Amino acid sequence: KAGVTQTPRYLIKTRGQQVTLSCSPISGHRSVSWYQQTPGQGLQFLFEYFSETQRNKGNFPGRFSGRQFSNSRSEMNVSTLELGDSALYLCASSSDRRSYNSPLHFGNGTRLTVT
Amino acid sequence: DQQVKQNSPSLSVQEGRISILNCDYTNSMFDYFLWYKKYPAEGPTFLISISSIKDKNEDGRFTVFLNKSAKHLSLHIVPSQPGDSAVYFCAASGGGANSKLTFGKGITLSVRP
Repeated sequence: KAGVTQTPRYLIKTRGQQVTLSCSPISGHRSVSWYQQTPGQGLQFLFEYFSETQRNKGNFPGRFSGRQFSNSRSEMNVSTLELGDSALYLCASSSDRRSYNSPLHFGNGTRLTVT
Repeated sequence: DQQVKQNSPSLSVQEGRISILNCDYTNSMFDYFLWYKKYPAEGPTFLISISSIKDKNEDGRFTVFLNKSAKHLSLHIVPSQPGDSAVYFCAASGGGANSKLTFGKGITLSVRP
């Protein structure tokens, strides 16, 4: 079974631009979560989608948004990029059975650099 | 407010010895705890978990202990191997509004040959 796939792996953008990151979950997984990892801050929760609905949201500004499609694939978008948005963005999927206590399976992330 | 705390940023142990990684949490609504391991340039990989109805869970060389009264959990790796060198994240979740997985900042484990 294929794992969680994130594209692209690396991205360089300029301040003020916007970016869209993509995530394909493990087949059969309906929950997709997004996390931001920066040095010294661990993994900060962005949002979670389940069956195309946002089920949970972290404490990030409105510039960060996401969506999920009917095939469970998900995208996240960051508008008006700032230097501080440079980070590793991780997508994770889990099964839909009592998903709150099902392990998340992570992709290898998208490394975003904002210059 | 950091609800999951890994206060030691790094740990170095000798190959063959025990590695003990600690984690504290503040949210009493958390009832499910997990450890993840992360190598550079890869996503975190699920290692082991424990439900709040247990105080110990074992999987091969890895054992997680949970002390609910102290809001503390620890991961024991015995014996430690050089391939265990990675960043280890503690994570916790609960039901309802706490259902998202909350992570600590991670501990970098180095196992010396």
